[in-house]
Amino acid sequence: EAQVTQNPRYLITVTGKKLTVTCSQNMNHEYMSWYRQDPGLGLRQIYYSMNVEVTDKGDVPEGYKVSRKEKRNFPLILESPSPNQTSLYFCASSLSDPPGDEQFFGPGTRLTVL
Amino acid sequence: AQSVAQPEDQVNVAEGNPLTVKCTYSVSGNPYLFWYVQYPNRGLQFLLKYITGDNLVKGSYGFEAEFNKSQTSFHLKKPSALVSDSALYFCAVRDIGDDKIIFGKGTRLHILP
Repeated sequence: EAQVTQNPRYLITVTGKKLTVTCSQNMNHEYMSWYRQDPGLGLRQIYYSMNVEVTDKGDVPEGYKVSRKEKRNFPLILESPSPNQTSLYFCASSLSDPPGDEQFFGPGTRLTVL
Repeated sequence: AQSVAQPEDQVNVAEGNPLTVKCTYSVSGNPYLFWYVQYPNRGLQFLLKYITGDNLVKGSYGFEAEFNKSQTSFHLKKPSALVSDSALYFCAVRDIGDDKIIFGKGTRLHILP
């Protein structure tokens, strides 16, 4: 089954404790992206990647890191989480060529930083 | 810079009536436009997209959207609403030549039985 998987689905952590949210897709997609969803703000793009070893900042990259060492994986790293990073996070993927392709979203990771 | 506006936080429609969820956009070039739907406790699902060609685009679950270049709008429509259409709807835009994708803030659609 074609899908985007994220782990963990739920995470409660404390300020400053490094964490990684994994994202994997099995559709051989080139484009991958991370979003955060907050009430009243909709979805905001954190980082995106057009291909392996190619990443770029979205609209809200501060406090986050990503890497794209393999085509299928795109982990999101919070090296020193803060309470304002409490949010619902989504990973998504799509074919980058043609660039008008729709995105496939993972089920989401709900992160709480105390 | 590109942007998307969904002017209504919530739309209420009686079951069986037509529905419209509004979206306007701003890009420097030509847009790729998308609609996604989010059901409770789920990720977003693709509904339809406009890339080029016919201004009326048909998508999943009986939804359609009309691209209006002069009004820079891409409103989502359905002729007859179902209670199961109740969800959160997002419009998104990508400017040709730009890799970023911008989402609107979402519109919550309530279909009243």
